[in-house]
Amino acid sequence: KAGVTQTPRYLIKTRGQQVTLSCSPISGHRSVSWYQQTPGQGLQFLFEYFSETQRNKGNFPGRFSGRQFSNSRSEMNVSTLELGDSALYLCASSLSRGQDTQYFGPGTRLTVL
Amino acid sequence: TQLLEQSPQFLSIQEGENLTVYCNSSSVFSSLQWYRQEPGEGPVLLVTVVTGGEVKKLKRLTFQFGDARKDSSLHITAAQPGDTGLYLCAGAGWTSYDKVIFGPGTSLSVIP
Repeated sequence: KAGVTQTPRYLIKTRGQQVTLSCSPISGHRSVSWYQQTPGQGLQFLFEYFSETQRNKGNFPGRFSGRQFSNSRSEMNVSTLELGDSALYLCASSLSRGQDTQYFGPGTRLTVL
Repeated sequence: TQLLEQSPQFLSIQEGENLTVYCNSSSVFSSLQWYRQEPGEGPVLLVTVVTGGEVKKLKRLTFQFGDARKDSSLHITAAQPGDTGLYLCAGAGWTSYDKVIFGPGTSLSVIP
């Protein structure tokens, strides 16, 4: 079974631009969660999608948004990029919500100049 | 607010040594996962422990879930350079509305 895939793997943007990241979960998994990872803050939860609905949200500004499609694939969007948005963005999928083990993709490394 | 603490934060040891890293919380979890992450890559699942007091072995790695389901430990025997990485623990809640909580990680460096 194929693992979680994320595209693109690397991205360089400038301040003020917007970016869209994509995540394809493991086949059969219906929950997708997004995390931001930085050296100083560790893994920080962004949001979780299940059945095309956002079910949980972390403490990030409204510039961070996401969606999930009927095939469980998910995208996250960051608008008006700031330097502090430079991070590794990780997507994790699980069969269902809450208690289920999460499986991570390789991440998208975003650099904002 | 649920929090997971991990100790030590950094660990640098010689190849062949043994080590233990800890994951502690004041919260009770339904299960706990351990991941290893290499630089620039996503975390890779090592194990899930579900039952209080459970011990699981994965080659040279031994994982234990505390009796009260609030803490866990990871013991590595005869560490090798390939064990180098960031070890993350994550606790799962009891309902489908709970978020998975991640610890800050232990960064392990095994020197040849």
